[in-house]
Amino acid sequence: GENVEQHPSTLSVQEGDSAVIKCTYSDSASNYFPWYKQELGKGPQLIIDIRSNVGEKKDQRIAVTLNKTAKHFSLHITETQPEDSAVYFCAARQSSGDKLTFGTGTRLAVRP
Amino acid sequence: GAVVSQHPSWVICKSGTSVKIECRSLDFQATTMFWYRQFPKQSLMLMATSNEGSKATYEQGVEKDKFLINHASLTLSTLTVTSAHPEDSSFYICSARALRATEAFFGQGTRLTVV
Repeated sequence: GENVEQHPSTLSVQEGDSAVIKCTYSDSASNYFPWYKQELGKGPQLIIDIRSNVGEKKDQRIAVTLNKTAKHFSLHITETQPEDSAVYFCAARQSSGDKLTFGTGTRLAVRP
Repeated sequence: GAVVSQHPSWVICKSGTSVKIECRSLDFQATTMFWYRQFPKQSLMLMATSNEGSKATYEQGVEKDKFLINHASLTLSTLTVTSAHPEDSSFYICSARALRATEAFFGQGTRLTVV
């Protein structure tokens, strides 16, 4: 089955700086990679996703890159704000399958 | 994005009783719903996948007689924790996906405390 590793487990940045979270996956058949933001006591919220036919996708301050050869993908948040503080999860799934396999999460703290 | 509503957001129950959690897709038809369990500071663990009108498929190690899942309509799935024990205390989260859709959207979660 799929295995997703996520690093770092915690990340602290100064407001305005960039934050990068990296994930690797094991199953070369995976071709859908979403990122979720989870605030304390709430469910995960989809913030961006990428499919394997694309190498990069950007949405305002958030971008995701995918390297299929190396089987890794990354989340980039620029101009971080205190409200970006949360736990971020990457995930991977075969588009023909149902199950999402989640990474272990990254706790991001943005210092004002 | 699509809206998935989960109810209740928190519940406290006594050991031995059963608790039902509802998951509704408010603005789309959810042909597939997923139930997850999350312990503090840990990732989401998939418990089961349900397709509308079919029996749920449970992950290895999840007791189907203890965690009853019903997905009787395209907008509602329920998870019933039967004969709850303190070790069942956790954060339960559902997610829903429409037919042929790639994205899955999550509910806000239910904090279950069994005393």
